[in-house]
Amino acid sequence: GAVVSQHPSWVICKSGTSVKIECRSLDFQATTMFWYRQFPKQSLMLMATSNEGSKATYEQGVEKDKFLINHASLTLSTLTVTSAHPEDSSFYICSASLSRGLGGEQYFGPGTRLTVT
Amino acid sequence: QKEVEQDPGPLSVPEGAIVSLNCTYSNSAFQYFMWYRQYSRKGPELLMYTYSSGNKEDGRFTAQVDKSSKYISLFIRDSQPSDSATYLCAMTYGNKLVFGAGTILRVKS
Repeated sequence: GAVVSQHPSWVICKSGTSVKIECRSLDFQATTMFWYRQFPKQSLMLMATSNEGSKATYEQGVEKDKFLINHASLTLSTLTVTSAHPEDSSFYICSASLSRGLGGEQYFGPGTRLTVT
Repeated sequence: QKEVEQDPGPLSVPEGAIVSLNCTYSNSAFQYFMWYRQYSRKGPELLMYTYSSGNKEDGRFTAQVDKSSKYISLFIRDSQPSDSATYLCAMTYGNKLVFGAGTILRVKS
Protein backbone atom coordinates (compact mmCIF):
# COMPACT_ATOMS: atom_id res chain seq x y z
CA GLY A 1 0.00 0.00 0.00
CA ALA A 2 0.82 3.75 -0.04
CA VAL A 3 2.14 3.87 -3.58
CA VAL A 4 2.85 7.19 -5.23
CA SER A 5 3.63 7.54 -8.91
CA GLN A 6 5.12 10.38 -10.92
CA HIS A 7 5.02 11.09 -14.61
CA PRO A 8 7.18 11.57 -16.52
CA SER A 9 10.19 9.93 -14.90
CA TRP A 10 12.51 12.14 -16.92
CA VAL A 11 12.07 15.03 -19.31
CA ILE A 12 14.32 17.21 -21.41
CA CYS A 13 13.02 20.57 -22.52
CA LYS A 14 14.32 23.70 -24.14
CA SER A 15 14.91 26.90 -22.23
CA GLY A 16 11.79 29.05 -22.11
CA THR A 17 9.28 26.24 -22.38
CA SER A 18 6.99 24.89 -19.66
CA VAL A 19 6.94 21.40 -18.23
CA LYS A 20 4.19 19.68 -16.27
CA ILE A 21 4.91 16.90 -13.77
CA GLU A 22 2.12 14.73 -12.38
CA CYS A 23 2.01 13.10 -8.97
CA ARG A 24 -0.60 10.47 -8.18
CA SER A 25 -1.42 8.49 -5.07
CA LEU A 26 -2.44 5.11 -6.47
CA ASP A 27 -4.02 3.27 -3.57
CA PHE A 28 -5.00 5.95 -1.09
CA GLN A 29 -6.48 9.41 -0.99
CA ALA A 30 -3.88 12.00 -0.16
CA THR A 31 -5.13 14.94 1.85
CA THR A 32 -1.83 16.70 1.39
CA MET A 33 0.88 16.49 -1.22
CA PHE A 34 4.34 17.94 -1.05
CA TRP A 35 6.82 18.91 -3.76
CA TYR A 36 10.57 18.71 -3.24
CA ARG A 37 13.60 19.29 -5.37
CA GLN A 38 16.92 17.59 -4.95
CA PHE A 39 20.22 18.64 -6.48
CA PRO A 40 22.98 16.06 -7.02
CA LYS A 41 24.45 14.77 -3.77
CA GLN A 42 22.19 17.03 -1.74
CA SER A 43 19.19 16.38 0.40
CA LEU A 44 15.56 17.08 -0.41
CA MET A 45 14.39 20.65 -0.14
CA LEU A 46 10.70 21.30 0.33
CA MET A 47 9.27 23.60 -2.31
CA ALA A 48 5.59 23.69 -1.48
CA THR A 49 2.73 22.01 0.32
CA SER A 50 -0.63 21.57 -1.31
CA ASN A 51 -3.98 20.53 0.09
CA GLU A 52 -6.73 19.33 -2.20
CA GLY A 53 -8.93 22.15 -3.37
CA SER A 54 -6.87 24.99 -1.93
CA LYS A 55 -3.88 27.06 -2.94
CA ALA A 56 -0.43 25.70 -2.35
CA THR A 57 1.80 27.06 0.39
CA TYR A 58 5.26 27.84 -0.93
CA GLU A 59 8.48 27.80 1.03
CA GLN A 60 10.51 30.95 1.33
CA GLY A 61 12.51 31.63 -1.80
CA VAL A 62 10.34 29.49 -4.09
CA GLU A 63 8.68 31.53 -6.84
CA LYS A 64 4.99 30.68 -6.92
CA ASP A 65 4.56 32.12 -10.41
CA LYS A 66 7.34 29.94 -11.73
CA PHE A 67 6.38 26.70 -10.02
CA LEU A 68 2.63 26.36 -10.44
CA ILE A 69 1.00 23.70 -8.29
CA ASN A 70 -2.50 22.36 -8.77
CA HIS A 71 -4.06 19.82 -6.43
CA ALA A 72 -7.30 19.12 -8.24
CA SER A 73 -8.26 15.88 -6.53
CA LEU A 74 -7.33 13.69 -3.59
CA THR A 75 -5.16 11.54 -5.85
CA LEU A 76 -3.54 14.03 -8.22
CA SER A 77 -1.25 17.01 -7.87
CA THR A 78 0.65 18.68 -10.69
CA LEU A 79 3.75 20.86 -10.73
CA THR A 80 4.28 23.05 -13.77
CA VAL A 81 7.69 24.63 -14.23
CA THR A 82 7.02 27.71 -16.34
CA SER A 83 9.60 29.34 -18.62
CA ALA A 84 12.17 26.80 -17.56
CA HIS A 85 15.84 27.73 -17.48
CA PRO A 86 18.94 25.54 -17.16
CA GLU A 87 19.19 26.35 -13.45
CA ASP A 88 15.79 24.66 -12.98
CA SER A 89 17.38 21.36 -13.98
CA SER A 90 16.97 19.12 -10.96
CA PHE A 91 15.30 16.02 -9.56
CA TYR A 92 11.72 16.83 -8.55
CA ILE A 93 10.04 14.50 -6.07
CA CYS A 94 6.51 14.56 -4.75
CA SER A 95 5.15 12.95 -1.64
CA ALA A 96 1.68 12.29 -0.35
CA SER A 97 0.27 12.12 3.13
CA LEU A 98 -2.95 10.75 4.54
CA SER A 99 -3.18 13.18 7.40
CA ARG A 100 -2.09 16.62 6.15
CA GLY A 101 1.37 15.46 7.11
CA LEU A 102 0.78 16.00 10.79
CA GLY A 103 1.63 12.41 11.59
CA GLY A 104 4.85 12.77 9.68
CA GLU A 105 4.36 9.87 7.32
CA GLN A 106 4.94 10.90 3.78
CA TYR A 107 5.13 8.46 0.89
CA PHE A 108 7.35 9.52 -1.94
CA GLY A 109 7.08 9.13 -5.66
CA PRO A 110 10.01 7.88 -7.75
CA GLY A 111 10.98 11.38 -8.85
CA THR A 112 11.19 13.23 -12.15
CA ARG A 113 14.52 14.28 -13.58
CA LEU A 114 14.22 17.56 -15.44
CA THR A 115 16.96 18.73 -17.77
CA VAL A 116 16.61 22.15 -19.36
CA THR A 117 18.87 22.76 -22.34
CA GLN B 1 23.97 25.71 11.92
CA LYS B 2 21.65 23.32 10.15
CA GLU B 3 18.59 22.07 12.01
CA VAL B 4 19.53 18.46 11.24
CA GLU B 5 23.12 17.31 10.98
CA GLN B 6 24.04 14.07 9.27
CA ASP B 7 27.46 12.89 8.16
CA PRO B 8 27.31 12.43 4.36
CA GLY B 9 29.88 9.62 4.37
CA PRO B 10 30.45 7.58 2.32
CA LEU B 11 30.46 4.76 4.83
CA SER B 12 31.93 1.51 3.51
CA VAL B 13 31.44 -1.74 5.40
CA PRO B 14 31.88 -5.43 4.61
CA GLU B 15 28.86 -7.64 4.09
CA GLY B 16 27.45 -8.89 7.38
CA ALA B 17 28.64 -5.91 9.42
CA ILE B 18 26.46 -3.93 11.78
CA VAL B 19 25.94 -0.43 10.44
CA SER B 20 25.27 2.58 12.63
CA LEU B 21 23.87 5.76 11.06
CA ASN B 22 23.27 8.87 13.11
CA CYS B 23 21.71 12.31 13.08
CA THR B 24 21.68 15.15 15.56
CA TYR B 25 19.18 17.95 15.64
CA SER B 26 18.81 21.30 17.28
CA ASN B 27 15.06 21.92 17.32
CA SER B 28 13.45 20.38 20.39
CA ALA B 29 10.03 20.89 18.79
CA PHE B 30 10.57 18.07 16.31
CA GLN B 31 7.90 15.46 16.94
CA TYR B 32 8.29 12.47 14.68
CA PHE B 33 11.50 10.87 13.50
CA MET B 34 11.97 8.86 10.37
CA TRP B 35 14.58 7.08 8.35
CA TYR B 36 14.32 6.87 4.60
CA ARG B 37 16.38 4.88 2.15
CA GLN B 38 17.04 6.34 -1.29
CA TYR B 39 18.57 4.46 -4.18
CA SER B 40 20.23 6.43 -6.94
CA ARG B 41 17.74 8.33 -9.11
CA LYS B 42 14.78 7.06 -7.08
CA GLY B 43 12.43 8.58 -4.53
CA PRO B 44 12.99 7.98 -0.80
CA GLU B 45 11.44 4.88 0.75
CA LEU B 46 10.20 5.03 4.34
CA LEU B 47 12.07 2.54 6.53
CA MET B 48 11.35 3.46 10.11
CA TYR B 49 8.99 5.85 11.86
CA THR B 50 9.17 6.67 15.55
CA TYR B 51 7.71 9.19 17.94
CA SER B 52 9.04 8.67 21.42
CA SER B 53 12.48 8.13 22.85
CA GLY B 54 13.62 4.53 22.86
CA ASN B 55 14.15 1.75 20.37
CA LYS B 56 11.97 0.41 17.60
CA GLU B 57 12.89 -2.74 15.76
CA ASP B 58 11.77 -4.00 12.35
CA GLY B 59 13.62 -7.00 10.98
CA ARG B 60 17.27 -6.11 10.54
CA PHE B 61 16.60 -2.43 11.28
CA THR B 62 16.52 -0.74 14.68
CA ALA B 63 15.72 2.93 15.11
CA GLN B 64 16.77 4.67 18.28
CA VAL B 65 15.67 8.09 19.49
CA ASP B 66 17.18 10.02 22.38
CA LYS B 67 15.23 13.23 22.71
CA SER B 68 17.23 14.44 25.71
CA SER B 69 20.41 14.37 23.63
CA LYS B 70 18.64 15.31 20.36
CA TYR B 71 20.18 12.30 18.71
CA ILE B 72 18.71 9.56 16.54
CA SER B 73 20.27 6.42 15.13
CA LEU B 74 19.53 3.66 12.68
CA PHE B 75 21.22 0.30 13.09
CA ILE B 76 21.32 -2.26 10.30
CA ARG B 77 22.26 -5.80 11.30
CA ASP B 78 23.75 -8.34 8.91
CA SER B 79 24.19 -5.71 6.22
CA GLN B 80 23.81 -6.82 2.62
CA PRO B 81 25.09 -5.36 -0.65
CA SER B 82 21.46 -4.52 -1.45
CA ASP B 83 21.49 -2.15 1.54
CA SER B 84 23.89 0.09 -0.39
CA ALA B 85 22.01 3.36 -0.75
CA THR B 86 21.71 6.81 0.75
CA TYR B 87 20.01 6.89 4.14
CA LEU B 88 18.19 10.06 5.07
CA CYS B 89 17.01 10.93 8.53
CA ALA B 90 13.98 13.18 8.68
CA MET B 91 11.94 14.79 11.39
CA THR B 92 8.69 16.65 11.48
CA TYR B 93 7.76 20.09 12.64
CA GLY B 94 4.05 20.59 12.14
CA ASN B 95 3.36 19.04 8.77
CA LYS B 96 6.83 19.62 7.35
CA LEU B 97 9.63 17.12 7.01
CA VAL B 98 13.15 18.37 7.58
CA PHE B 99 15.79 16.11 6.12
CA GLY B 100 19.38 15.47 6.99
CA ALA B 101 21.93 15.58 4.21
CA GLY B 102 21.88 11.78 3.84
CA THR B 103 24.63 9.23 4.46
CA ILE B 104 25.91 7.18 1.54
CA LEU B 105 26.31 3.55 2.61
CA ARG B 106 28.29 1.02 0.61
CA VAL B 107 28.19 -2.63 1.64
CA LYS B 108 30.93 -4.63 -0.02
CA SER B 109 30.47 -8.32 -0.77
